[in-house]
Amino acid sequence: AQKVTQAQTEISVVEKEDVTLDCVYETRDTTYYLFWYKQPPSGELVFLIRRNSFDEQNEISGRYSWNFQKSTSSFNFTITASQVVDSAVYFCALSGPRGNQGGKLIFGQGTELSVKP
Amino acid sequence: KAGVTQTPRYLIKTRGQQVTLSCSPISGHRSVSWYQQTPGQGLQFLFEYFSETQRNKGNFPGRFSGRQFSNSRSEMNVSTLELGDSALYLCASSLVLRGGETQYFGPGTRLLVL
Repeated sequence: AQKVTQAQTEISVVEKEDVTLDCVYETRDTTYYLFWYKQPPSGELVFLIRRNSFDEQNEISGRYSWNFQKSTSSFNFTITASQVVDSAVYFCALSGPRGNQGGKLIFGQGTELSVKP
Repeated sequence: KAGVTQTPRYLIKTRGQQVTLSCSPISGHRSVSWYQQTPGQGLQFLFEYFSETQRNKGNFPGRFSGRQFSNSRSEMNVSTLELGDSALYLCASSLVLRGGETQYFGPGTRLLVL
C-alpha cells in the first residue's frame, strides 16, 4: 500500500530562518512520482515540484530546495531565509505509474508552517 | 492559460439534499480528478475521469458520483447529503503523459451541510 507521512504537524519560525519540512513515503512501485504542494489560507493547492523515482538529483528553485533520497524513502523540502508569505500548509504527495492507479495522489497530513515577522 | 475553475465556490445545503459541483480543467487537459479535504481525514481521492470514462475510484460510498463531458469539463454529485460531507472539494486536471503527470488544482468548492 502507498503511504505518505509528514510527521511535523505544525512548525513555527521567525522570518529569515531556514526550515525543513520532512516527508517519508512507502510504496511497492518501482516507478513513482513525488510532489510538494502549498495550500495558502485561500484553499487552492499550488503545485511546487514533481520528482520522478528514477531521478534522485536534488533541486533548487530560488529559496526552495528539495532533497530526494530513495535509500531512506524521504523527500524533504527546505525553505531558506523564510518569509511571512511562506506561511501555509504544505503537502507532500505520492502517485504510482498511470497503469497502476495513476492519476491518484496519496497525500500526507500536511505541515502547517507559520513564519512570524 | 487559464487555470482550473470550480463552481460554485461556496455552498450551503441541508441533510438529505443533493448537490452538483462543476470543474473546468486547464485547456488541453483531459484528465480530471476530484478530492475531498476535511480536517479529520485530510485530502482523500474521490475519482478520476479521463476521456469521459471513470478510470479510478477512491473509497467513498455510492452517494458520490461524477461524470465528464466531451469538452473534459467534469461534474461531481453527492446525493442524500450527510453532515460529514461538509468539506472542501478540490478538482485537479492534468495532461496524461508517459513520463508522469502533474495535477493542477482549482480553488475548490466549500460545502457546508446543515
